Amino acid sequence: AQSVTQPDIHITVSEGASLELRCNYSYGATPYLFWYVQSPGQGLQLLLKYFSGDTLVQGIKGFEAEFKRSQSSFNLRKPSVHWSDAAEYFCAVRNAAGNKLTFGGGTRVLVKP
Amino acid sequence: DTEVTQTPKHLVMGMTNKKSLKCEQHMGHRAMYWYKQKAKKPPELMFVYSYEKLSINESVPSRFSPECPNSSLLNLHLHALQPEDSALYLCASSPGDLYNEQFFGPGTRLTVL
Repeated sequence: AQSVTQPDIHITVSEGASLELRCNYSYGATPYLFWYVQSPGQGLQLLLKYFSGDTLVQGIKGFEAEFKRSQSSFNLRKPSVHWSDAAEYFCAVRNAAGNKLTFGGGTRVLVKP
Repeated sequence: DTEVTQTPKHLVMGMTNKKSLKCEQHMGHRAMYWYKQKAKKPPELMFVYSYEKLSINESVPSRFSPECPNSSLLNLHLHALQPEDSALYLCASSPGDLYNEQFFGPGTRLTVL
């Protein structure tokens, strides 16, 4: 069965600084990977996805993620964070049938002025 | 229309009440999902409908009863809930094939007294 681990529960970053969120997955075949963001009390918004091809994926809001098969990782990055990036971030992997997402535990990002 | 809508936004109910949550999408998606999310936790899949048929039930208690009247609409009927069922209930939809992500609604915040 697939699984996703987000090792960092909380990350605090200064506004304007760079951000990297870690995601490690366990999956037997080529994974379909996603990063979602959730603001307090809101639904989830897709930031980016990886299915195949170029291992560096560009997303919305200036985010990018790099798929590294050798490390079973799909880390999310942003060069310069804004106060509005404070939120919960979830990494997820989709099963082979395409009908189930398995989420990591999430990383809460706090942005200092 | 590129969004998933959910009503109501908030719901407070007693343990003997019967209520329903509603989810709607007009993107032509053929798969719809119910998730339950407790505070500071990732979403947990409850049900999946594919082409208006229930395809996945993640061993959800029978006090939760899903219904998919048509391809645009998904309901979750609630009866005899427990206080531990209080959570954010998220609906999502996807086009239905393997290479597309799930689009999430804003959720219904349910409180069971």
